[in-house]
Amino acid sequence: KQEVTQIPAALSVPEGENLVLNCSFTDSAIYNLQWFRQDPGKGLTSLLLIQSSQREQTSGRLNASLDKSSGRSTLYIAASQPGDSATYLCAVLNQAGTALIFGKGTTLSVSS
Amino acid sequence: DAGVIQSPRHEVTEMGQEVTLRCKPISGHDYLFWYRQTMMRGLELLIYFNNNVPIDDSGMPEDRFSAKMPNASFSTLKIQPSEPRDSAVYFCASRRQETQYFGPGTRLLVL
Repeated sequence: KQEVTQIPAALSVPEGENLVLNCSFTDSAIYNLQWFRQDPGKGLTSLLLIQSSQREQTSGRLNASLDKSSGRSTLYIAASQPGDSATYLCAVLNQAGTALIFGKGTTLSVSS
Repeated sequence: DAGVIQSPRHEVTEMGQEVTLRCKPISGHDYLFWYRQTMMRGLELLIYFNNNVPIDDSGMPEDRFSAKMPNASFSTLKIQPSEPRDSAVYFCASRRQETQYFGPGTRLLVL
C-alpha cells in the first residue's frame, strides 16, 4: 500500500529565506507527483505536477524535483514571503492514473 | 467556471442524525472524488466516480457512509447515522485530465 510521508511537519522561517520541503513515498510505481497548497479553512490548490518520467518542474519561485527510484521529491521555495505561509501537501497519483495518495503536509510559517 | 461547489460549508449535527453533503463538479470533468481530512489521518480518499459510476469505494469507512452521483453535475455523500468520530472536513474534487480541482470543503461537527 502506497504511503506518503512529509518532513518536517511544521517549519518557521524569516522572510527572504530559501527553503526545502521533503516528500517520500514507498511505491515507486507512480503516474505522477503533485504538490498542493492549502490555506487555513480553504480547499487545495495545485502548484506543480511532475510526470513520472520527469525530474523537475518550475513555476515562479517554486521548483519541485522528483527522484522516482528513491521515492523522493522536494519542493524548493526561493526568497520566501509571508504570503507563502500555508500547508503544503505532496500527493502521488497511482500508476493507473486514478487515485491520489496524500501526505499529511508541512505547515509553513514565514515571518516578516 | 465557478470551480467545484460544495454545500453546506459548515454543518453541526447531533449524533445519530443523517448528514448529506453535496458537490457540484466543474463542468466537463469526468472524475469526481470525495475526501475526508482530519488532523490525525490527514487527507483520505473515500470514494471516486468516473463518468458518474463509482469505481473505488474502498476508502469508505463503514456502511454508514454512502455516495451517489445521479448525473454529471451532482454528487452526494451521506452519513447515516452520524457519530462524533465523523467530525472532519469533507472535500469534493473533480478532474478531467491530470490536475484535480478541490472544492472549499464542508466542515462537519457531530456532537
